[in-house]
Amino acid sequence: GNSVTQMEGPVTLSEEAFLTINCTYTATGYPSLFWYVQYPGEGLQLLLKATKADDKGSNKGFEATYRKETTSFHLEKGSVQVSDSAVYFCALRKTGSARQLTFGSGTQLTVLP
Amino acid sequence: EPEVTQTPSHQVTQMGQEVILRCVPISNHLYFYWYRQILGQKVEFLVSFYNNEISEKSEIFDDQFSVERPDGSNFTLKIRSTKLEDSAMYFCASSAGTSGYNEQFFGPGTRLTVL
Repeated sequence: GNSVTQMEGPVTLSEEAFLTINCTYTATGYPSLFWYVQYPGEGLQLLLKATKADDKGSNKGFEATYRKETTSFHLEKGSVQVSDSAVYFCALRKTGSARQLTFGSGTQLTVLP
Repeated sequence: EPEVTQTPSHQVTQMGQEVILRCVPISNHLYFYWYRQILGQKVEFLVSFYNNEISEKSEIFDDQFSVERPDGSNFTLKIRSTKLEDSAMYFCASSAGTSGYNEQFFGPGTRLTVL
């Protein structure tokens, strides 16, 4: 079946540090890949997505590239801010009729001033 | 900006009791979902709902669970006889469609505690 493995947290960084959160997946076919973010007390928000191999999703300075050869979708940001502190979830959605999202376990990021 | 809302934010119940978790999806959306996250574990899909019927469900969504859209705005998840292992954060989501371009918008969640 489909699964997503995400780098375990928590991750603590200083402001302006470089961020990488690793995500790898197992799926048949060609899934769409997503990063969701959850700020304290709020719901999951879509951060970025990629729907085919070699696509790069980007938003708010975050980027992730769909790598089919390594089945990965690592999240990166060049310079994190305190406001980026949140829980980040990697997810996939397989093609075809099924529209359910399969999530990773989430990574708590704390950015210190 | 339109958003998905959920009530209550926290529900405490005794084992064996029935609970109903409520969600108000975004008004022009057609597809509705429930997910749950047991503390420290992954967010798991429960069920999707379209055109007044279940379109997909996971193995978790057994006969103890049911969903309903009782009116034009609410979408509910009922757990008939709660068990301790039902304690989790339950997220509702909605989307305008199901293509790759239709984002699922999530609510803030209801934390269910079964004692």
